[in-house]
Amino acid sequence: DTAVSQTPKYLVTQMGNDKSIKCEQNLGHDTMYWYKQDSKKFLKIMFSYNNKELIINETVPNRFSPKSPDKAHLNLHINSLELGDSAVYFCASSQGWGNSYEQYFGPGTRLTVT
Amino acid sequence: AQKVTQAQTEISVVEKEDVTLDCVYETRDTTYYLFWYKQPPSGELVFLIRRNSFDEQNEISGRYSWNFQKSTSSFNFTITASQVVDSAVYFCALSQDLISNFGNEKLTFGTGTRLTIIP
Repeated sequence: DTAVSQTPKYLVTQMGNDKSIKCEQNLGHDTMYWYKQDSKKFLKIMFSYNNKELIINETVPNRFSPKSPDKAHLNLHINSLELGDSAVYFCASSQGWGNSYEQYFGPGTRLTVT
Repeated sequence: AQKVTQAQTEISVVEKEDVTLDCVYETRDTTYYLFWYKQPPSGELVFLIRRNSFDEQNEISGRYSWNFQKSTSSFNFTITASQVVDSAVYFCALSQDLISNFGNEKLTFGTGTRLTIIP
């Protein structure tokens, strides 16, 4: 069974479009995250949710909007896509509140904006 | 602000050699956590180890070992008798203390070290 799953795995779209990436975890974790990994492999947190509440909102354009319908899901919606949004987006979850707990990552979604 | 430095961008070693990946961190917190993650060519991120700042004992797990030294703010990772399957990008990461950074807890990653094991 996949612990943290993301769909789609690959996403190719044109500039200006709106797209969503879905994430689900079946680990019963309370906290979920979105990370962006750029072409140089640099990983940076974007958002963190705990029990469906937004905890961390890094300096991310407001074109990015996370939504957590329940503890097991954290989706990422991106409006008006730009070339610079091309990256791999990782969803992750952790058991508890705060970062003393290890995070379990999804397989990533490779977004290509043309 | 906290920071993680992995000065080695790429390392290549021949199979069966030992290799050490360096990680140096900066933080003002007295309580913090250090992590290592592995990202193989398939792309997923795999948790390897977590260490809290009060536990300086070295840890060994099979061919993997970790050396945590607060005096030098380092948390180095050694692979003994390397194998081709160890080829991956390895990330060191640091998390802030929950209490003093409430609402701003986050995991800060280093830039990663790409390890290639040559058969």
